[in-house]
Amino acid sequence: RKEVEQDPGPFNVPEGATVAFNCTYSNSASQSFFWYRQDCRKEPKLLMSVYSSGNEDGRFTAQLNRASQYISLLIRDSKLSDSATYLCVVLRGLTGGFKTIFGAGTRLFVKA
Amino acid sequence: DVKVTQSSRYLVKRTGEKVFLECVQDMDHENMFWYRQDPGLGLRLIYFSYDVKMKEKGDIPEGYSVSREKKERFSLILESASTNQTSMYLCASSLGQGRLNTEAFFGQGTRLTVV
Repeated sequence: RKEVEQDPGPFNVPEGATVAFNCTYSNSASQSFFWYRQDCRKEPKLLMSVYSSGNEDGRFTAQLNRASQYISLLIRDSKLSDSATYLCVVLRGLTGGFKTIFGAGTRLFVKA
Repeated sequence: DVKVTQSSRYLVKRTGEKVFLECVQDMDHENMFWYRQDPGLGLRLIYFSYDVKMKEKGDIPEGYSVSREKKERFSLILESASTNQTSMYLCASSLGQGRLNTEAFFGQGTRLTVV
């Protein structure tokens, strides 16, 4: 079983729709959580961090559920430009450092 | 802006060749990483480094080695390239040795094809 799992999709939604992705992680020692966005043939870039109390950045809302070990990303009023792959990222502490684990990503297509 | 630069966008190498992938970052980041990205598998960590001359194995280090002689440069070496190492290779850096809440910045990637 992978340490971080995401539904690969693709999610095909019309413009203006609300779409949500979940990501589950298996190691309860995981400490920090992020969503990255990767456009086709581009490198991943940070979309937002995920805080314990949940956080919002414009049309994007991220939530963390430690009890059930998942994080979520909600996109409201989808735009064509939201089409991308969304990567869930989990950081876990190690002796002397930390480990970054990426999910395989969820593909989103927003259509006119 | 942080800049992470990988030496090549595209490389084609022959089986058995020794291959060097170079990565340079210009923001004095302590942490540097090498990943490979394959369809359906996402990003998998090959090696990482928290400091100069320091290296740690990631999840798939077999067939690879790394070198970090200077803080800004992290090199990935394929000792004897094989066709199953055909992939997209991504270098990343982040600030703060041991910190858990820092953003990783990625290079543009090197698409390596081994024939």
